[in-house]
Amino acid sequence: AQTVTQSQPEMSVQEAETVTLSCTYDTSESNYYLFWYKQPPSRQMILVIRQEAYKQQNATENRFSVNFQKAAKSFSLKISDSQLGDTAMYFCAFMKLSGGSNYKLTFGKGTLLTVNP
Amino acid sequence: NAGVTQTPKFQVLKTGQSMTLQCAQDMNHNSMYWYRQDPGMGLRLIYYSASEGTTDKGEVPNGYNVSRLNKREFSLRLESAAPSQTSVYFCASSRDRGIETQYFGPGTRLLVL
Repeated sequence: AQTVTQSQPEMSVQEAETVTLSCTYDTSESNYYLFWYKQPPSRQMILVIRQEAYKQQNATENRFSVNFQKAAKSFSLKISDSQLGDTAMYFCAFMKLSGGSNYKLTFGKGTLLTVNP
Repeated sequence: NAGVTQTPKFQVLKTGQSMTLQCAQDMNHNSMYWYRQDPGMGLRLIYYSASEGTTDKGEVPNGYNVSRLNKREFSLRLESAAPSQTSVYFCASSRDRGIETQYFGPGTRLLVL
């Protein structure tokens, strides 16, 4: 079974600064996807970024980028130029692509990020 | 497009009551999912439907039933609610099983007394 660990329950950052959220995972699979989701106070889950395990290049989406270290099974999220609207719970998630259960997202417990003015 | 919509947004039930949570998507997605989110935990999959006419159990299916009414709609039913089912429920959809990104609804907060 896969596990996803987010070791930082809460973090805070000043507006306009950069923050990095950590995520590690445990799997024996070689083919999988990793995701970061954002959950603001509205509770809706919003996809921030995704990374295919077979790609060596780190994914980027505007101010959001990841540092994917496959050998270390690490998948951190960097938020540059933090904005007040980035305040949310952030979830790291894993999806394997082999076998009959390739539908399933496994989530970490989340990191609550607060951006301070 | 509204994306994924869920009703109701909030519900209070007494132990033993039944109710159905509704979910609909307008993105022509084939796959749909129901998750629950408890405090301090990530989302856990209850049931999913890979395509119209099929449903399968997820990680925590006990106490729930689902119906894939058509391609757009996927409902979750609690036949006899228990306090342990107090949670926030999320519906999600994706174009297909597998690598496709899942899009989530706004959630339903359920309180069982």
